[in-house]
Amino acid sequence: GEDVEQSLFLSVREGDSSVINCTYTDSSSTYLYWYKQEPGAGLQLLTYIFSNMDMKQDQRLTVLLNKKDKHLSLRIADTQTGDSAIYFCAETVSDDKIIFGKGTRLHILP
Amino acid sequence: GAVVSQHPSWVICKSGTSVKIECRSLDFQATTMFWYRQFPKQSLMLMATSNEGSKATYEQGVEKDKFLINHASLTLSTLTVTSAHPEDSSFYICSAEGQGDNYGYTFGSGTRLTVV
Repeated sequence: GEDVEQSLFLSVREGDSSVINCTYTDSSSTYLYWYKQEPGAGLQLLTYIFSNMDMKQDQRLTVLLNKKDKHLSLRIADTQTGDSAIYFCAETVSDDKIIFGKGTRLHILP
Repeated sequence: GAVVSQHPSWVICKSGTSVKIECRSLDFQATTMFWYRQFPKQSLMLMATSNEGSKATYEQGVEKDKFLINHASLTLSTLTVTSAHPEDSSFYICSAEGQGDNYGYTFGSGTRLTVV
């Protein structure tokens, strides 16, 4: 069935790069997303990539998509304390169906 | 793995009627469930946090009398949109927070509500 998996925790030192990985199973997905959730808040769309793209860069964020391996990653350069949050990977498989991973808690070490 | 079933996937209703959306954790107990509404640019606004056996905690700006949330058991939370209006048309999605082996957030697949 459709599934999106990501590791639950990641600790990174301030100033280093964070790489959050995600795998998905549905090869018919059209868009893949990264959301950020800060405590007590909703899910903010950080970035997305269309399934026919390999890479997308937006300031400190780089998304890499390996469609063959169904692997998506989010790299945050120069990680700051404000990047501490839960990051969700998600894919859309139709107009009205979106599948989320369980979320990766990013912890920033001083 | 943990699964959250959300029903219906889509619903069309007339203005003034009420619609109930169910969010059910199938193989784990969820003491806390969350309800979100999708807005333009894909972000999901947190509407409320639902705790089993107690009243839901609504976010600022969300009308609790309009969006009724009930979390009567450890596996079921419902969102009822009362007296729906066209501006309530949106994509609603729930998630459940698991513990132990089911640690993390498991999302339902969402409900597309269209009010005509």
